[in-house]
Amino acid sequence: EAGVTQSPTHLIKTRGQQATLRCSPISGHTSVYWYQQALGLGLQFLLWYDEGEERNRGNFPPRFSGRQFPNYSSELNVNALELEDSALYLCASSLEDRGSRQYFGPGTRLTVT
Amino acid sequence: GIQVEQSPPDLILQEGANSTLRCNFSDSVNNLQWFHQNPWGQLINLFYIPSGTKQNGRLSATTVATERYSLLYISSSQTTDSGVYFCAVGFNDMRFGAGTRLTVKP
Repeated sequence: EAGVTQSPTHLIKTRGQQATLRCSPISGHTSVYWYQQALGLGLQFLLWYDEGEERNRGNFPPRFSGRQFPNYSSELNVNALELEDSALYLCASSLEDRGSRQYFGPGTRLTVT
Repeated sequence: GIQVEQSPPDLILQEGANSTLRCNFSDSVNNLQWFHQNPWGQLINLFYIPSGTKQNGRLSATTVATERYSLLYISSSQTTDSGVYFCAVGFNDMRFGAGTRLTVKP
């Protein structure tokens, strides 16, 4: 069974541009989570999608947004990129929204110059 | 929000040694997970353990929810155990500790 996949592996953008990151969950998982791991800030919850809806978001500005498609894959968009958006972005999926393990993808490393 | 503290922040071991990593949390939780992040950034889910004890090979974990802590035990450590170990609590807005960086030397 394939694990969580993310693309691209690396992404280099300049300040002010937009970035789009993609995630495919484990087959059968309906919940997708996005996390940011920035240097010195640790792992922080960004967004949670379940059944195509945004269910919760962390303490991030609105320029961080995304969506979940009917096949449960998800996209994270970061608009008006800032230097401090440089980080490893991790996607996770779980079988349901409560009481189950989260499985992580390999991440997308975003560098903003 | 809930606070998650891990100790020690850094740990250096010789291959074959045992270790205990601790995770304290500030409020009652009903979802706690342990992860290992390898040098390439991949997070591997080790345990889902809101309470009780679980074992998986050389690793075991215990969560005492009433006392708000969890322990991860690594026995007979190997160099491949190196990396950062995180505990995390919560459901749909999972909160991570700062991690314990483990280095196992041959």
